[in-house]
Amino acid sequence: SQTIHQWPATLVQPVGSPLSLECTVEGTSNPNLYWYRQAAGRGLQLLFYSVGIGQISSEVPQNLSASRPQDRQFILSSKKLLLSDSGFYLCAWSGDRDEQYFGPGTRLTVT
Amino acid sequence: GENVEQHPSTLSVQEGDSAVIKCTYSDSASNYFPWYKQELGKRPQLIIDIRSNVGEKKDQRIAVTLNKTAKHFSLHITETQPEDSAVYFCAASTRGTYKYIFGTGTRLKVLA
Repeated sequence: SQTIHQWPATLVQPVGSPLSLECTVEGTSNPNLYWYRQAAGRGLQLLFYSVGIGQISSEVPQNLSASRPQDRQFILSSKKLLLSDSGFYLCAWSGDRDEQYFGPGTRLTVT
Repeated sequence: GENVEQHPSTLSVQEGDSAVIKCTYSDSASNYFPWYKQELGKRPQLIIDIRSNVGEKKDQRIAVTLNKTAKHFSLHITETQPEDSAVYFCAASTRGTYKYIFGTGTRLKVLA
């Protein structure tokens, strides 16, 4: 069966510091991968998605970037964090069918 | 652009009563409609979905209905229990676009 991992689970970072969040999927090949952000008490904002290695589509202009160095690895990065980057970051994957499955998330607090 | 409206934003029901959450989508090409349940501090979990070639789908106490003409779909939860308390999100997707358009969420409270 398929499993999706995210780390770290929680992160507290100062404003202006860099960020790297990692997501990996097991048990499937060539998944579509997604990064979402959820502000406290709010909905799901799609940040990036990828349909293959090196293929990244950005949905929202911001100071974040994404990379997919391997088939089942998706990384979210920032060079300098802003206070507004705080939130719950969720990675998700989908396969041949339409269902998306979410990872456990990373709770980021920028101080 | 594509949009999904979700109502109500909050819903309180007595244990044992039914709950209905409604979503309206704008893109007539949408053909897949999932529903997610998100408990506090947890990841969204897919609870039921429906495709555009089906009008209704049931799974025990939950059901989803789709009206393609009106571009509406709804989640129905019967015999609600306290553990049904969570935020529910609807979404719409068009095959080949790889993206979901999510609704804004409904906070369901089941009162014991």
